[in-house]
Amino acid sequence: AQSVAQPEDQVNVAEGNPLTVKCTYSVSGNPYLFWYVQYPNRGLQFLLKYITGDNLVKGSYGFEAEFNKSQTSFHLKKPSALVSDSALYFCAALAGNMLTFGGGTRLMVKP
Amino acid sequence: NAGVTQTPKFQVLKTGQSMTLQCAQDMNHEYMSWYRQDPGMGLRLIHYSVGAGITDQGEVPNGYNVSRSTTEDFPLRLLSAAPSQTSVYFCASSYSTSGLATDTQYFGPGTRLTVL
Repeated sequence: AQSVAQPEDQVNVAEGNPLTVKCTYSVSGNPYLFWYVQYPNRGLQFLLKYITGDNLVKGSYGFEAEFNKSQTSFHLKKPSALVSDSALYFCAALAGNMLTFGGGTRLMVKP
Repeated sequence: NAGVTQTPKFQVLKTGQSMTLQCAQDMNHEYMSWYRQDPGMGLRLIHYSVGAGITDQGEVPNGYNVSRSTTEDFPLRLLSAAPSQTSVYFCASSYSTSGLATDTQYFGPGTRLTVL
């Protein structure tokens, strides 16, 4: 069975500092990997995806993620955090027709 | 384009009642899916469909039925609601290739369901 783990329930960072939200996966074959963001009382918004190719993927709002096959990780990063980045972030892996989500990480950016 | 729409936004049911959560998309996506979101558990796949007339079970299908008579609509039915089905439900859709979901899934705004 495939699984996605986000080891941190919450990440706290000061505005202007770099941020990292961690994700590891266990999926057979070559997965498609995604990051989504959820703001309060809203649906999920797509941030970025890795399908194939360059291990560093750039997405919306200045976010990027690095695919590491040997470590089965897909960490989300941003060089300089904004207060408006505060939200719930989900990592997900697509294999076959099943999209499996991690438990989510709440990002808190303080002024 | 309206994208993915869901109705109702909120619903309160009593144990044993039935209801249908509606989902529609106007992007001509073949793949549609239903998820439930519970605190600390992320989203879990309930059922999915790769085209009209084709549905399949996801990770947590028990207590839910689906059908797909058109490309646009993918309703989720609760036949006899239970308190364990209290959750936020999201519908999503995406393009597919050869019957496989291969692209970004777009999510609706969600339905918050409470079963008393």
